[in-house]
Amino acid sequence: KAGVTQTPRYLIKTRGQQVTLSCSPISGHRSVSWYQQTPGQGLQFLFEYFSETQRNKGNFPGRFSGRQFSNSRSEMNVSTLELGDSALYLCASSFSGLGVYEQFFGPGTRLTVL
Amino acid sequence: TQLLEQSPQFLSIQEGENLTVYCNSSSVFSSLQWYRQEPGEGPVLLVTVVTGGEVKKLKRLTFQFGDARKDSSLHITAAQPGDTGLYLCAGEGDDKIIFGKGTRLHILP
Repeated sequence: KAGVTQTPRYLIKTRGQQVTLSCSPISGHRSVSWYQQTPGQGLQFLFEYFSETQRNKGNFPGRFSGRQFSNSRSEMNVSTLELGDSALYLCASSFSGLGVYEQFFGPGTRLTVL
Repeated sequence: TQLLEQSPQFLSIQEGENLTVYCNSSSVFSSLQWYRQEPGEGPVLLVTVVTGGEVKKLKRLTFQFGDARKDSSLHITAAQPGDTGLYLCAGEGDDKIIFGKGTRLHILP
């Protein structure tokens, strides 16, 4: 079974630009979560999508948004980029059925904002 | 707010030594996961513990969930250079997964 894939792996943008990151979950997984990882703050939860609906949201400004498509693939968008948005953005998929909640992560997209 | 504190933040030991890292909270979690992350990659799930007092073994790694389901430990026996990485614990909370900031482990050959 293929794992979680994220594209692109690396991205360099300048302040004020916007960026879209893509995530394809494991086949059969309906939940996709997005995280921002920085050395200082660790892994911080951005949002979770389940069946094309945002099910949960972290404490990030409205510049961070996402969506999920009918095939469970998800995209994350960041508008008006700031230097502090430089981070590793991780996507995690889970089956999200009843029982234990386990997430499987993709390799991440390394975003650098200049 | 649910928080997970991991200790130590950094650990550097010689190959062959034993070590324990900790994950503590004042909150109760319905399950807890341990992940290992290598530079430039996403975290890889090692184990999930669900029952208070549960112990799980994965080769030289032993994971324990506290009786009250508020804390967990990871013990590595005879550490090897391949164990080097960032170890993250994550608790299943009220409505989301909470991550600790991790223990960065470096095993010296």
